[in-house]
Amino acid sequence: AQKITQTQPGMFVQEKEAVTLDCTYDTSDPSYGLFWYKQPSSGEMIFLIYQGSYDQQNATEGRYSLNFQKARKSANLVISASQLGDSAMYFCAMREMYGQNFVFGPGTRLSVLP
Amino acid sequence: DAGVTQSPTHLIKTRGQQVTLRCSPKSGHDTVSWYQQALGQGPQFIFQYYEEEERQRGNFPDRFSGHQFPNYSSELNVNALLLGDSALYLCASRSWQTNQPQHFGDGTRLSIL
Repeated sequence: AQKITQTQPGMFVQEKEAVTLDCTYDTSDPSYGLFWYKQPSSGEMIFLIYQGSYDQQNATEGRYSLNFQKARKSANLVISASQLGDSAMYFCAMREMYGQNFVFGPGTRLSVLP
Repeated sequence: DAGVTQSPTHLIKTRGQQVTLRCSPKSGHDTVSWYQQALGQGPQFIFQYYEEEERQRGNFPDRFSGHQFPNYSSELNVNALLLGDSALYLCASRSWQTNQPQHFGDGTRLSIL
């Protein structure tokens, strides 16, 4: 069973607009962490933001925020004021309490238009 | 503060050959994981090393093996290379005791001819 689902293979957004990238997950562990990574065309995987399953507040890091809806098992990434440099692949990932590895989703390719 | 470093950056091999990829973790990290990322897909977990032992393994055949050294650096070995092994191989490190995110290297792009 797929543990991380990202239903948007590609997204377009106008520069300076906000965009939401969807992520849903599946786990029976009570404790887990959710992560978003950005992968530019150069290949490196850049950590953006983290949300713990017991965190009461949604995580924020600069222009990135995570819209965490635990009951719906969703962890959407919101990028505010998009910039051309935000064009990249975005991966949602999860690590469960009793697992030490990360499970990645298939990714969403974001293209920011000038 | 050096991040995760991988070598080489690119590699070309032929079917049946063997390859060794290397990874040095970020300073302060003791746990190394390896991932295979085929073109257009998300990274797939290969295995993870901590205290020089393989702690967890993904769904990869025995042709994929690894090692971790006392200085926490790690190697990924792939034997009897197949065309399907062509991919970006990513190494990630973190501290075993924390819930902090993994930090990734820039990857090794392996092409099999």
